[in-house]
Amino acid sequence: GENVEQHPSTLSVQEGDSAVIKCTYSDSASNYFPWYKQELGKGPQLIIDIRSNVGEKKDQRIAVTLNKTAKHFSLHITETQPEDSAVYFCAAKYSGGGADGLTFGKGTHLIIQP
Amino acid sequence: EAGVTQSPTHLIKTRGQQATLRCSPISGHTSVYWYQQALGLGLQFLLWYDEGEERNRGNFPPRFSGRQFPNYSSELNVNALELEDSALYLCASSPLGRDSYEQYFGPGTRLTVT
Repeated sequence: GENVEQHPSTLSVQEGDSAVIKCTYSDSASNYFPWYKQELGKGPQLIIDIRSNVGEKKDQRIAVTLNKTAKHFSLHITETQPEDSAVYFCAAKYSGGGADGLTFGKGTHLIIQP
Repeated sequence: EAGVTQSPTHLIKTRGQQATLRCSPISGHTSVYWYQQALGLGLQFLLWYDEGEERNRGNFPPRFSGRQFPNYSSELNVNALELEDSALYLCASSPLGRDSYEQYFGPGTRLTVT
């Protein structure tokens, strides 16, 4: 089955700086890679995703890059703000016949220092 | 548009009892996924229902079961509760069928087994 590794487990950055979270996956059949943000006491919120036929996707201050050859993908947050503080999860999934649920990384606790 | 809803918010049970958790997907979504988020174990895929049928399940024992109703809402049942079943149980819904991509999560049900 799929295995997703996520680093770092904790990331502390100054407000206004950029943050980068990296994930690797093991199953080359995976073709969908979402990122979720989870705030305390809430369910995960889908913030951006990328499919395997795309190398990069941006949405305002958030971007995701995918390297299929190396089987890794990254989340980039620019101009960080206090409200970006949360736990971020990457995930991977094969979407097709016999598809499975999402396989998640262990999460990154992002702390934005004022 | 209303999001995924789950009930109850909290549930306290005794070891050996049964727990029933409920989920209502976003209107128009036919797929429902269940995940367990336990301390130290991260988010793990439990079950996937689509069009009223169980499509796939994760690496969990048979005492974790569920069903999906004609209105696409879903129920997760956990029999013979064990202490390690204490976790946040998350439901997610998806707008597509078997080749689903985006999953949107509810706030979760916190199950405590004493």
